[in-house]
Amino acid sequence: DTEVTQTPKHLVMGMTNKKSLKCEQHMGHRAMYWYKQKAKKPPELMFVYSYEKLSINESVPSRFSPECPNSSLLNLHLHALQPEDSALYLCASSLGHAENNEQFFGPGTRLTVL
Amino acid sequence: AQKVTQAQTEISVVEKEDVTLDCVYETRDTTYYLFWYKQPPSGELVFLIRRNSFDEQNEISGRYSWNFQKSTSSFNFTITASQVVDSAVYFCALSSIAAGNKLTFGGGTRVLVKP
Repeated sequence: DTEVTQTPKHLVMGMTNKKSLKCEQHMGHRAMYWYKQKAKKPPELMFVYSYEKLSINESVPSRFSPECPNSSLLNLHLHALQPEDSALYLCASSLGHAENNEQFFGPGTRLTVL
Repeated sequence: AQKVTQAQTEISVVEKEDVTLDCVYETRDTTYYLFWYKQPPSGELVFLIRRNSFDEQNEISGRYSWNFQKSTSSFNFTITASQVVDSAVYFCALSSIAAGNKLTFGGGTRVLVKP
């Protein structure tokens, strides 16, 4: 299995809702990432988990809460989002969090906040 | 600080034409890695190639080829005999230990291949 899966593919939520994005990989990778991508822009790193521990938080607002229940799963909990948070959210994984490890990306969740 | 520049925002070609995507990077590190990713309309970024800073050999993989020139800090990508399926956004990226092993992406180049 050489893919990263993400659910849901699309999500529409109101500003008072609570929702979660899910990401899964079965490649034995020990690093997992969340990125946010706005239209016509490159992905922006949000969080990095290495061996199930949060190693990087790129000053992301607390309305985004990541969770890594085990080495194969990564969640992003969303609460009280703003319309400007509408974007494509990409999950990625790599063998480890090293500079030479290529990252494998999932298809993303397209989020719309009303 | 690291920086990756892809000066071409959009390139439009007719099928079977060759297309070259430019990537220029800045880093103070002596050891670093360069990557190219393809993002088709479906949204998923697809890894294409990784190159380390000590390996300046050009590489060819099918219709894809890469030209790494450390002297000009460039890592250009050529698609030979383009096909409609090559239509996508292509990102060049840079990673190094000093930058926390994080990928620094260029702004991306949108390639449109017309039949």
